[in-house]
Amino acid sequence: SQQGEEDPQALSIQEGENATMNCSYKTSINNLQWYRQNSGRGLVHLILIRSNEREKHSGRLRVTLDTSKKSSSLLITASRAADTASYFCATETGANNLFFGTGTRLTVIP
Amino acid sequence: EAGVVQSPRYKIIEKKQPVAFWCNPISGHNTLYWYLQNLGQGPELLIRYENEEAVDDSQLPKDRFSAERLKGVDSTLKIQPAELGDSAVYLCASSMGVGELFFGEGSRLTVL
Repeated sequence: SQQGEEDPQALSIQEGENATMNCSYKTSINNLQWYRQNSGRGLVHLILIRSNEREKHSGRLRVTLDTSKKSSSLLITASRAADTASYFCATETGANNLFFGTGTRLTVIP
Repeated sequence: EAGVVQSPRYKIIEKKQPVAFWCNPISGHNTLYWYLQNLGQGPELLIRYENEEAVDDSQLPKDRFSAERLKGVDSTLKIQPAELGDSAVYLCASSMGVGELFFGEGSRLTVL
């Protein structure tokens, strides 16, 4: 079973535009993480936000967390063709296990 | 520093045959995970090890799947016998315990 669910399932934008992906989850969490996966490759960690944090930045990435709504968003600013990938949110619920969502497939058109 | 190493990258077998996947985590990482990823889906946890102990194997189908991490370093995941529905990517990840997971490239299994 998967804890999170991303929205939208697929997103296509032009290079230079911003991309926003949303994640909803079901239970209380210790932290929420975002990962990226290029086609046919493993997942790469992007950013971690703790349950007591509301916003975090890393380069062109901005993550928000609303624990009252059990939701998070990932914003990628000034997108590049190289950002084309699938993006997954993952929640850690306290047992050191990480549960992944269904993913958003982002396509950035040059 | 080497990342998480998995082998084989690709495996094609006929149903009812056995198959094994190997994972070598990042040196010093005591936590090791095996995940299953179906096409177009997110990874689903199969088993988690803390050193050599399997601390969560609740999602591992124990009738046909088995895993071991005998010396608390590398790990093997086995399927015997394989079924058509086992076709997927098997991902290994490691971590220092809490926080970021480091993933291998995965082993893609096709069962014919």
